[in-house]
Amino acid sequence: ETGVTQSPTHLIKTRGQQVTLRCSSQSGHNTVSWYQQALGQGPQFIFQYYREEENGRGNFPPRFSGLQFPNYSSELNVNALELDDSALYLCASSLRGRRQETQYFGPGTRLLVL
Amino acid sequence: KNEVEQSPQNLTAQEGEFITINCSYSVGISALHWLQQHPGGGIVSLFMLSSGKKKHGRLIATINIQEKHSSLHITASHPRDSAVYICAVRSSSGTYKYIFGTGTRLKVLA
Repeated sequence: ETGVTQSPTHLIKTRGQQVTLRCSSQSGHNTVSWYQQALGQGPQFIFQYYREEENGRGNFPPRFSGLQFPNYSSELNVNALELDDSALYLCASSLRGRRQETQYFGPGTRLLVL
Repeated sequence: KNEVEQSPQNLTAQEGEFITINCSYSVGISALHWLQQHPGGGIVSLFMLSSGKKKHGRLIATINIQEKHSSLHITASHPRDSAVYICAVRSSSGTYKYIFGTGTRLKVLA
């Protein structure tokens, strides 16, 4: 177990709705990354937060947004959901500054958009 | 062409076989991870490499920075090794971006 938790584990939404996914980082970690993994594909980098600021973003539209809180927990928000947003959403925490930075993954939130 | 390519995409082996999964990448990296993902989605980090070779139990990972290639080896494979193995590289471009391969689906038969 990595110490990274995500909620909810599963979620069903309809097209056009908004969703908030949550991630609790491993204790002491100051960096969180979010990934989208479509069925049968490898994870795709959405964005990363370091000390509450976005620090790198993948090829995702602005309707994907995030927050990192002072306790380093994090949220991923997706507005105007589309069918293609159905995927497993993974967060991973790490400690920036360590030479050998290792990401610790949460179990994921499986989102289904109908 | 993907920046991180894995081969094979699917692999079926008999229990006890020696298994090799390959990863090639085309970008500059500061580190490479091998990850294991079981059905249901949870990902476990197996190794992080920036050079050379690492061993943990029956798992061995190697990386050749000049050739931009890494391999994950499993000795004496067991059905519980059945999972998807994913290679992920950390870009050296400064944005701490990770690029993932599509994974190798391994099934070890008893």
